[in-house]
Amino acid sequence: NAGVTQTPKFQVLKTGQSMTLQCAQDMNHEYMSWYRQDPGMGLRLIHYSVGAGITDQGEVPNGYNVSRSTTEDFPLRLLSAAPSQTSVYFCASRQTRLAGGAGELFFGEGSRLTVL
Amino acid sequence: KNQVEQSPQSLIILEGKNCTLQCNYTVSPFSNLRWYKQDTGRGPVSLTIMTFSENTKSNGRYTATLDADTKQSSLHITASQLSDSASYICVVASGNNRLAFGKGNQVVVIP
Repeated sequence: NAGVTQTPKFQVLKTGQSMTLQCAQDMNHEYMSWYRQDPGMGLRLIHYSVGAGITDQGEVPNGYNVSRSTTEDFPLRLLSAAPSQTSVYFCASRQTRLAGGAGELFFGEGSRLTVL
Repeated sequence: KNQVEQSPQSLIILEGKNCTLQCNYTVSPFSNLRWYKQDTGRGPVSLTIMTFSENTKSNGRYTATLDADTKQSSLHITASQLSDSASYICVVASGNNRLAFGKGNQVVVIP
């Protein structure tokens, strides 16, 4: 069982370049999300989706686009990379509901992005 | 304003010793609280979950407590091992289906 798979693991971009971080999950989770993790800032939500065709902004959405055409895939696009987007990015999925004991987040292994 | 505060930010402990990590939250309404362990270069993995009615829960050498009245949780690590070196992240779920993240406790275990 692969869980959440992210690619690439490492990427170096020049300012202004575009790229897409891929994320796929095989747990049939409706909810998928992207986070960035910076030193001293913790995990911050970029965008999330509660199902195919539905996306919404999180805490730090500027400079990023997402789409959700299938339940399994949730790519994150950087349209014009900036040095401020240098970070480690995590994709995560979970059950939609959080009541009771539900809602465990399953994370990918992370994608380390450097923008020069 | 961060709704989840963790302390200490970082600590160094000797192998075999115990330590306690703290998580204070203001999230309301409360649904559940999870502690995640994040090894260096890896994604976070859930250690324990605490719901409103639970006070204590153990997972091996990890014991989590919850005081819903004071809105505090702790994670106690017993007889620490080198593999316990990691960041421990407290995540609180609210009744309106949102998650609030702490910034993590960085633990370094030295031989």
